[in-house]
Amino acid sequence: QKEVEQNSGPLSVPEGAIASLNCTYSDRGSQSFFWYRQYSGKSPELIMSIYSNGDKEDGRFTAQLNKASQYVSLLIRDSQPSDSATYLCAVYGGATNKLIFGTGTLLAVQP
Amino acid sequence: DTEVTQTPKHLVMGMTNKKSLKCEQHMGHRAMYWYKQKAKKPPELMFVYSYEKLSINESVPSRFSPECPNSSLLNLHLHALQPEDSALYLCASSQDPLGGSSYGYTFGSGTRLTVV
Repeated sequence: QKEVEQNSGPLSVPEGAIASLNCTYSDRGSQSFFWYRQYSGKSPELIMSIYSNGDKEDGRFTAQLNKASQYVSLLIRDSQPSDSATYLCAVYGGATNKLIFGTGTLLAVQP
Repeated sequence: DTEVTQTPKHLVMGMTNKKSLKCEQHMGHRAMYWYKQKAKKPPELMFVYSYEKLSINESVPSRFSPECPNSSLLNLHLHALQPEDSALYLCASSQDPLGGSSYGYTFGSGTRLTVV
């Protein structure tokens, strides 16, 4: 079982729709959870972090965490073509004390 | 200054060359990292420096040699690389050496390395 799993996509949504990205992790001791956005050929950019169960909102982005289910999600409201990128879920803590990335989900927002 | 600066942005080197990648941050972060990213793959951790000391080496081949001269600088010395080492090399830093803060890791723009 991979430490951090994501559906590789591509996830295609129309402009203005809600994009829902999902991530599961295997280490129950994980403490911190992050979503990074990576445009092709560029470096990852941190867009959301979440520690506690529940929702955390920042502008058009909402991160959701359910530690019991070992599940993290990212919702992007009013999706724009500029949101088209690979979204990387990253998990820190537990046994490894390392930031471990999932394989990423490619999001394509269609105009 | 909220950036991590990496130089050079692109590097082409032969298998017998010696080169170095440089990384600099002035955010007062006490942990710095090297990651390697191949195309369509996630970043993979190579090395972690915490308070200028090497704390994690992910069994990286010795042809990659990290160095942390001070709290703001991180180098990656390259020698006798193989074509399969061609990748995007990312430097990152974090405020919390354990990486568990809500600030996460700040990544530099990367060095695109091609080994010929």
